[in-house]
Amino acid sequence: TQLLEQSPQFLSIQEGENLTVYCNSSSVFSSLQWYRQEPGEGPVLLVTVVTGGEVKKLKRLTFQFGDARKDSSLHITAAQPGDTGLYLCAGAGGSSNTGKLIFGQGTTLQVKP
Amino acid sequence: SQTIHQWPATLVQPVGSPLSLECTVEGTSNPNLYWYRQAAGRGLQLLFYSVGIGQISSEVPQNLSASRPQDRQFILSSKKLLLSDSGFYLCAWGFGYLEQYFGPGTRLTVT
Repeated sequence: TQLLEQSPQFLSIQEGENLTVYCNSSSVFSSLQWYRQEPGEGPVLLVTVVTGGEVKKLKRLTFQFGDARKDSSLHITAAQPGDTGLYLCAGAGGSSNTGKLIFGQGTTLQVKP
Repeated sequence: SQTIHQWPATLVQPVGSPLSLECTVEGTSNPNLYWYRQAAGRGLQLLFYSVGIGQISSEVPQNLSASRPQDRQFILSSKKLLLSDSGFYLCAWGFGYLEQYFGPGTRLTVT
Protein backbone atom coordinates (compact mmCIF):
# COMPACT_ATOMS: atom_id res chain seq x y z
CA THR A 1 0.00 0.00 0.00
CA GLN A 2 1.35 3.38 -1.00
CA LEU A 3 1.35 6.05 1.70
CA LEU A 4 2.37 9.69 1.79
CA GLU A 5 3.42 11.20 5.10
CA GLN A 6 3.20 14.96 5.42
CA SER A 7 4.95 16.96 8.09
CA PRO A 8 4.31 19.00 10.03
CA GLN A 9 0.55 18.52 10.41
CA PHE A 10 0.08 22.03 11.83
CA LEU A 11 2.15 25.16 11.43
CA SER A 12 1.47 28.60 12.90
CA ILE A 13 3.93 31.35 11.97
CA GLN A 14 4.21 35.12 11.78
CA GLU A 15 3.96 37.03 8.52
CA GLY A 16 7.35 37.28 6.84
CA GLU A 17 8.74 33.98 8.11
CA ASN A 18 9.87 31.15 5.88
CA LEU A 19 8.58 27.58 6.12
CA THR A 20 8.97 24.15 4.57
CA VAL A 21 6.43 21.35 4.32
CA TYR A 22 7.58 17.81 3.64
CA CYS A 23 5.91 14.91 1.89
CA ASN A 24 7.61 11.52 2.22
CA SER A 25 6.98 7.96 1.08
CA SER A 26 8.76 4.66 0.68
CA SER A 27 7.08 4.27 -2.72
CA VAL A 28 8.02 5.71 -6.10
CA PHE A 29 5.47 7.97 -7.78
CA SER A 30 5.00 8.77 -11.46
CA SER A 31 4.20 12.37 -10.54
CA LEU A 32 3.44 14.43 -7.48
CA GLN A 33 1.06 17.31 -7.07
CA TRP A 34 0.64 19.99 -4.44
CA TYR A 35 -2.78 21.45 -3.71
CA ARG A 36 -4.00 24.26 -1.49
CA GLN A 37 -7.45 24.16 0.04
CA GLU A 38 -9.46 26.78 1.89
CA PRO A 39 -12.25 25.83 4.34
CA GLY A 40 -15.44 24.70 2.62
CA GLU A 41 -13.89 24.65 -0.84
CA GLY A 42 -12.28 22.07 -3.11
CA PRO A 43 -8.48 21.77 -3.36
CA VAL A 44 -6.80 23.94 -5.99
CA LEU A 45 -3.80 22.64 -7.88
CA LEU A 46 -0.56 24.54 -7.27
CA VAL A 47 2.00 22.48 -9.19
CA THR A 48 2.79 19.10 -10.70
CA VAL A 49 6.32 17.64 -10.69
CA VAL A 50 7.19 14.59 -12.74
CA THR A 51 10.99 14.37 -13.00
CA GLY A 52 13.27 13.27 -10.15
CA GLY A 53 15.20 16.27 -8.84
CA GLU A 54 12.84 18.72 -10.50
CA VAL A 55 12.44 22.16 -8.90
CA LYS A 56 9.57 24.48 -9.76
CA LYS A 57 9.00 27.99 -8.51
CA LEU A 58 5.67 29.77 -8.28
CA LYS A 59 6.31 33.30 -6.99
CA ARG A 60 7.25 32.78 -3.32
CA LEU A 61 6.61 29.02 -3.43
CA THR A 62 9.35 26.53 -4.35
CA PHE A 63 8.53 22.88 -4.99
CA GLN A 64 11.06 20.08 -5.21
CA PHE A 65 10.66 16.45 -6.25
CA GLY A 66 13.19 14.05 -4.73
CA ASP A 67 15.78 12.42 -6.97
CA ALA A 68 14.23 9.00 -6.37
CA ARG A 69 10.68 10.36 -6.84
CA LYS A 70 9.69 9.23 -3.34
CA ASP A 71 9.48 12.59 -1.61
CA SER A 72 8.77 16.26 -2.16
CA SER A 73 8.96 19.55 -0.35
CA LEU A 74 7.16 22.88 -0.50
CA HIS A 75 9.05 25.95 0.67
CA ILE A 76 7.33 29.29 1.18
CA THR A 77 9.43 32.43 1.46
CA ALA A 78 8.17 35.45 3.39
CA ALA A 79 4.79 33.93 4.20
CA GLN A 80 1.72 36.16 4.02
CA PRO A 81 -1.71 35.81 5.68
CA GLY A 82 -3.12 34.93 2.26
CA ASP A 83 -1.00 31.75 2.32
CA THR A 84 -3.15 30.40 5.17
CA GLY A 85 -4.84 27.13 4.29
CA LEU A 86 -4.53 23.36 4.09
CA TYR A 87 -1.68 22.15 1.89
CA LEU A 88 -1.99 18.67 0.42
CA CYS A 89 0.50 16.60 -1.49
CA ALA A 90 -0.70 13.81 -3.75
CA GLY A 91 1.23 11.14 -5.59
CA ALA A 92 0.21 9.28 -8.71
CA GLY A 93 1.05 5.60 -8.80
CA GLY A 94 -0.27 2.46 -10.40
CA SER A 95 -1.78 2.54 -13.86
CA SER A 96 -1.28 5.78 -15.76
CA ASN A 97 -4.75 5.30 -17.25
CA THR A 98 -6.69 5.45 -13.99
CA GLY A 99 -4.85 8.47 -12.61
CA LYS A 100 -5.45 7.40 -9.02
CA LEU A 101 -3.87 9.76 -6.50
CA ILE A 102 -2.65 8.97 -3.01
CA PHE A 103 -3.07 12.00 -0.74
CA GLY A 104 -1.06 12.97 2.30
CA GLN A 105 -2.97 13.87 5.45
CA GLY A 106 -2.37 17.58 4.90
CA THR A 107 -0.54 20.45 6.57
CA THR A 108 -2.64 23.22 8.08
CA LEU A 109 -0.79 26.52 7.80
CA GLN A 110 -1.78 29.64 9.70
CA VAL A 111 0.09 32.86 8.94
CA LYS A 112 -0.55 35.57 11.49
CA PRO A 113 -0.34 39.24 10.47
CA SER B 1 -12.42 26.17 -20.39
CA GLN B 2 -13.40 23.29 -18.19
CA THR B 3 -15.68 23.63 -15.19
CA ILE B 4 -16.93 21.13 -12.65
CA HIS B 5 -20.16 21.45 -10.70
CA GLN B 6 -21.41 19.68 -7.60
CA TRP B 7 -24.77 19.84 -5.89
CA PRO B 8 -26.11 20.27 -3.45
CA ALA B 9 -23.52 22.36 -1.63
CA THR B 10 -24.87 21.41 1.79
CA LEU B 11 -27.09 18.57 2.86
CA VAL B 12 -28.53 17.45 6.20
CA GLN B 13 -30.11 14.01 6.14
CA PRO B 14 -31.46 11.67 8.83
CA VAL B 15 -29.93 8.25 9.43
CA GLY B 16 -31.51 5.65 7.16
CA SER B 17 -32.49 8.08 4.42
CA PRO B 18 -31.24 7.77 0.81
CA LEU B 19 -28.55 9.93 -0.73
CA SER B 20 -27.81 11.24 -4.21
CA LEU B 21 -24.95 13.64 -4.92
CA GLU B 22 -24.34 14.79 -8.45
CA CYS B 23 -21.25 15.97 -10.25
CA THR B 24 -21.04 17.26 -13.82
CA VAL B 25 -18.09 18.41 -15.89
CA GLU B 26 -18.20 20.85 -18.80
CA GLY B 27 -15.69 21.63 -21.51
CA THR B 28 -13.99 18.24 -21.82
CA SER B 29 -14.74 14.76 -23.10
CA ASN B 30 -14.18 11.30 -21.64
CA PRO B 31 -12.42 12.44 -18.48
CA ASN B 32 -11.57 10.19 -15.58
CA LEU B 33 -13.94 11.03 -12.72
CA TYR B 34 -13.37 10.60 -9.00
CA TRP B 35 -15.31 10.77 -5.73
CA TYR B 36 -13.39 11.56 -2.53
CA ARG B 37 -14.40 12.01 1.10
CA GLN B 38 -12.52 14.32 3.41
CA ALA B 39 -12.57 14.51 7.22
CA ALA B 40 -12.20 18.00 8.67
CA GLY B 41 -8.72 19.41 8.02
CA ARG B 42 -7.40 16.11 6.72
CA GLY B 43 -6.40 14.43 3.49
CA LEU B 44 -8.70 12.96 0.88
CA GLN B 45 -9.86 9.36 0.78
CA LEU B 46 -10.63 8.04 -2.70
CA LEU B 47 -14.04 6.35 -2.76
CA PHE B 48 -14.72 5.62 -6.44
CA TYR B 49 -13.23 6.33 -9.81
CA SER B 50 -14.43 5.91 -13.37
CA VAL B 51 -12.51 5.82 -16.66
CA GLY B 52 -15.65 5.72 -18.82
CA ILE B 53 -19.43 5.48 -18.99
CA GLY B 54 -20.69 2.64 -16.84
CA GLN B 55 -17.18 1.79 -15.59
CA ILE B 56 -16.91 2.19 -11.81
CA SER B 57 -14.14 1.04 -9.52
CA SER B 58 -14.61 1.03 -5.76
CA GLU B 59 -11.67 1.74 -3.50
CA VAL B 60 -13.25 1.33 -0.08
CA PRO B 61 -16.06 -1.15 0.78
CA GLN B 62 -18.81 0.88 2.40
CA ASN B 63 -22.40 2.01 2.40
CA LEU B 64 -22.03 4.04 -0.80
CA SER B 65 -22.22 3.39 -4.53
CA ALA B 66 -21.41 5.39 -7.65
CA SER B 67 -22.70 5.52 -11.19
CA ARG B 68 -21.70 7.24 -14.41
CA PRO B 69 -24.78 7.35 -16.64
CA GLN B 70 -23.29 9.91 -19.04
CA ASP B 71 -19.76 10.82 -20.10
CA ARG B 72 -19.55 13.91 -17.90
CA GLN B 73 -21.92 12.96 -15.08
CA PHE B 74 -20.91 11.15 -11.91
CA ILE B 75 -23.37 10.29 -9.15
CA LEU B 76 -22.71 9.16 -5.58
CA SER B 77 -25.57 7.31 -3.88
CA SER B 78 -26.63 5.48 -0.79
CA LYS B 79 -29.81 3.56 0.00
CA LYS B 80 -29.57 4.10 3.76
CA LEU B 81 -27.24 6.67 5.29
CA LEU B 82 -25.21 5.99 8.41
CA LEU B 83 -23.87 8.54 10.90
CA SER B 84 -20.36 7.65 9.72
CA ASP B 85 -21.23 8.84 6.18
CA SER B 86 -21.04 12.45 7.34
CA GLY B 87 -18.22 14.40 5.72
CA PHE B 88 -17.10 16.64 2.90
CA TYR B 89 -17.53 14.96 -0.48
CA LEU B 90 -15.45 16.08 -3.41
CA CYS B 91 -15.73 15.22 -7.08
CA ALA B 92 -12.75 15.60 -9.40
CA TRP B 93 -11.85 15.07 -13.04
CA GLY B 94 -8.54 14.44 -14.73
CA PHE B 95 -6.60 12.56 -17.38
CA GLY B 96 -3.92 9.97 -16.84
CA TYR B 97 -1.46 10.35 -13.99
CA LEU B 98 -1.27 14.11 -13.96
CA GLU B 99 -3.27 16.69 -12.08
CA GLN B 100 -6.90 16.47 -11.02
CA TYR B 101 -9.37 19.32 -10.81
CA PHE B 102 -11.84 19.46 -7.99
CA GLY B 103 -15.39 20.65 -7.62
CA PRO B 104 -16.58 22.89 -4.77
CA GLY B 105 -17.67 19.95 -2.63
CA THR B 106 -20.80 18.89 -0.73
CA ARG B 107 -20.96 19.08 3.06
CA LEU B 108 -23.08 16.13 4.23
CA THR B 109 -24.32 15.90 7.80
CA VAL B 110 -26.17 12.76 8.84
CA THR B 111 -28.26 13.29 11.99
